[in-house]
Amino acid sequence: DIQMTQSPSTLSASVGDRVTITCRASQSINTWLAWYQQRPGKAPKVLIYKASSLESGVPSRFSGSGSGTEFTLTISSLQPDDFAAYYCQQYNFYPYTFGQGTKLEIK
Amino acid sequence: QVELVESGGGVVQPGRSLRLSCAASGFTFNNYGMHWVRQAPGKGLEWVSLIAYDGANTYYADSVKGRFTVSRDNSKNTLYLQMNSLRVDDTAVYYCAKDQYSSGWCDYWGHGTLVTVSS
Repeated sequence: DIQMTQSPSTLSASVGDRVTITCRASQSINTWLAWYQQRPGKAPKVLIYKASSLESGVPSRFSGSGSGTEFTLTISSLQPDDFAAYYCQQYNFYPYTFGQGTKLEIK
Repeated sequence: QVELVESGGGVVQPGRSLRLSCAASGFTFNNYGMHWVRQAPGKGLEWVSLIAYDGANTYYADSVKGRFTVSRDNSKNTLYLQMNSLRVDDTAVYYCAKDQYSSGWCDYWGHGTLVTVSS
């Protein structure tokens, strides 16, 4: 199975900060990667698909990049609503797998 | 608007069975693959299963293969997850999610149903 490793596991930041979360795959997944945001008690919501495509309705402060085994999710200027958990998911190989998650906390 | 509503969760003893349902509306159900994803209390997301739009192909995580069976009834716009030989570590919120045109990622999610496996 493809292992997805996110870093950091926890990130403390302030409103207005620029933050980057990294996701590494145990083997190449081309650009078959999605990013999700999950607020406490809520279902996940897709932000990015195919590594860098912004889902409709998602603010442009979110961006994704990468290919092969290394990917990043960047939030250009943190807003209060952005403090949540973030997960990457590979969908190149079955079984699909998620990263362990990154919790973005208010500093 | 797309709506996915899971049901069937509850408390069950180890070794017993449970069937989850996911009622879909607001889109042409028989055009899309559907996923099950779970989340143990306080933990991250775990992909569980995928079924193709027509039910012809199914895929499973290693942790549930041979114990769980995904199916769908396109005439009822409903997705199912039959869970047998349940274990304590199957305790989780189970989400159903719509695949985005057989792409592999999930564009809509239900609110989830909690399954607790405990003696």
